[in-house]
Amino acid sequence: EPEVTQTPSHQVTQMGQEVILRCVPISNHLYFYWYRQILGQKVEFLVSFYNNEISEKSEIFDDQFSVERPDGSNFTLKIRSTKLEDSAMYFCASSTRQGDWTEAFFGQGTRLTVV
Amino acid sequence: GENVEQHPSTLSVQEGDSAVIKCTYSDSASNYFPWYKQELGKRPQLIIDIRSNVGEKKDQRIAVTLNKTAKHFSLHITETQPEDSAVYFCAANPLITSGTYKYIFGTGTRLKVLA
Repeated sequence: EPEVTQTPSHQVTQMGQEVILRCVPISNHLYFYWYRQILGQKVEFLVSFYNNEISEKSEIFDDQFSVERPDGSNFTLKIRSTKLEDSAMYFCASSTRQGDWTEAFFGQGTRLTVV
Repeated sequence: GENVEQHPSTLSVQEGDSAVIKCTYSDSASNYFPWYKQELGKRPQLIIDIRSNVGEKKDQRIAVTLNKTAKHFSLHITETQPEDSAVYFCAANPLITSGTYKYIFGTGTRLKVLA
């Protein structure tokens, strides 16, 4: 069964450093998402991406965040200057269509620890 | 803004008993309601979903009901087993200003099935 894959599984970074989280969505999917989950809390929407542009972003997704689809297979989330409160599990997801009536498949997550 | 409330936050049941988790959503334009199961340290996995044109859906021991008027939807697990122990998240997909959808997750229910 096709899966969304994310790398790395765990990233430790110093406060103020830039990090790039990588995702390979399912190959025939067109819509891509990033969510985050702070330990013990709910999954929160960050951004959705379609046709090489952001279609929606949340309040969390401020100027420190950016997303990119550098080639036909990867989808990346960049945090320019990490803060302690960015520590969370980051999930990438993809779907064949927009969120309505279609399942979003989640990757296994990248645990980001900012120290 | 859009909101999904989920209750209870924790639920303990004896093996073989039923478990019910309830969610309410705020945006009446939402039309898709997935339920995800998340085991410790793993990705959220879709277990069942329901569309707004359906009032109930069942898949073996799992069922979901939707009351659009009241903006309630519930997950029912019958004949619970220890392997059902996990955190369960409901989600709704409010229509957002760009004309696209995103998932808003509930706060999660930690289900413990006691052997």
